[in-house]
Amino acid sequence: GAVVSQHPSRVICKSGTSVKIECRSLDFQATTMFWYRQFPKQSLMLMATSNEGSKATYEQGVEKDKFLINHASLTLSTLTVTSAHPEDSSFYICSASTSGAREQYFGPGTRLTVT
Amino acid sequence: EDQVTQSPEALRLQEGESSSLNCSYTVSGLRGLFWYRQDPGKGPEFLFTLYSAGEEKEKERLKATLTKKESFLHITAPKPEDSATYLCAVYQTGANNLFFGTGTRLTVIP
Repeated sequence: GAVVSQHPSRVICKSGTSVKIECRSLDFQATTMFWYRQFPKQSLMLMATSNEGSKATYEQGVEKDKFLINHASLTLSTLTVTSAHPEDSSFYICSASTSGAREQYFGPGTRLTVT
Repeated sequence: EDQVTQSPEALRLQEGESSSLNCSYTVSGLRGLFWYRQDPGKGPEFLFTLYSAGEEKEKERLKATLTKKESFLHITAPKPEDSATYLCAVYQTGANNLFFGTGTRLTVIP
């Protein structure tokens, strides 16, 4: 149980374009979903927290107009990277929870490369 | 300033050579310390949660312990398949997220 999927697993896009990443909880309803970014050899940095049906809460330094998060249902959250630039290239990981930050189930991650 | 520090940054072991990974923390109001395993290009996989000093948990070759200042992940007689990055994270009073350390990259050589 508690399986979280992400799609796509890898994506390459051109600079200036937008790309959408999906995060799904497959066998449970997630009231909260978290989006992280991980650069090579670095740890997970929380970008934002989203609760179903409400606006996401972004961490300091994360541009909410650049990283659009939608959590329209209890099983799906999306992260859209708008006007992507090479410095946005990273590994994006989502997690889902039924009970807040303490119990998070992580997805397999999405490798974004912006050329 | 709240911090989570993991050491060593990288560790190479011979198969069967036991060792320990360290996670030290300086956060107020610890409500839980988590250990995860992360394979390259994958998301973190949950291993353990520890809630109070003195608590220990075991799973196969891994044992996690917790004091008031740090946690250890002991690996006994490791195998090559134990090679991964091990992350610790803390959950503290008043926070709504986990705060991760930078991880220890473990390589077990056959």
